[in-house]
Amino acid sequence: RKEVEQDPGPFNVPEGATVAFNCTYSNSASQSFFWYRQDCRKEPKLLMSVYSSGNEDGRFTAQLNRASQYISLLIRDSKLSDSATYLCVVSQGGKLIFGQGTELSVKP
Amino acid sequence: NAGVTQTPKFQVLKTGQSMTLQCAQDMNHEYMSWYRQDPGMGLRLIHYSVGAGITDQGEVPNGYNVSRSTTEDFPLRLLSAAPSQTSVYFCASSYVPLEAYNEQFFGPGTRLTVL
Repeated sequence: RKEVEQDPGPFNVPEGATVAFNCTYSNSASQSFFWYRQDCRKEPKLLMSVYSSGNEDGRFTAQLNRASQYISLLIRDSKLSDSATYLCVVSQGGKLIFGQGTELSVKP
Repeated sequence: NAGVTQTPKFQVLKTGQSMTLQCAQDMNHEYMSWYRQDPGMGLRLIHYSVGAGITDQGEVPNGYNVSRSTTEDFPLRLLSAAPSQTSVYFCASSYVPLEAYNEQFFGPGTRLTVL
């Protein structure tokens, strides 16, 4: 079983749609959680950290469920510019473990 | 600030050749790391360092060496290139500890092809 698992997609959605990504992690000792965004053939960049209480940044909402070892990302009112791959990332033992990424394509 | 820089951007090697991928950061970050990214595999950690003089292995260290003689630089050496090492390589840096939600900053990547 992979340490961090994501649905690879692709998710194809129309502009304005709401889309949710899920991620599970296997090690209960994981301590910090993130969503990174990666545009085609570019370097990953931090989208948002994921805190135990859940957090929101504009159209983006992240949730963490430590008991179920589950992380989610909700994007509301999708824009064309949201098209990218979204990486679920977990810290563990002083290292970062990446999921394989979920590809999102937002169509006009 | 230049952030994290990597050279070269592209490289083609023949099987058996050696080379060094360069990585430098100007943010005084203690933590530096190297990842490789292959289609469908996500980013996999090769080696990492929590400070000058300290390095450790990640998930896929075989065939690669690193050293950290300064805070700024973290070169990755391919000892004898193999076609399986064809990949995109990313260097990243951050403050420590990672568990404190410190952001990783990535370089633009090196696209390596081994023939």
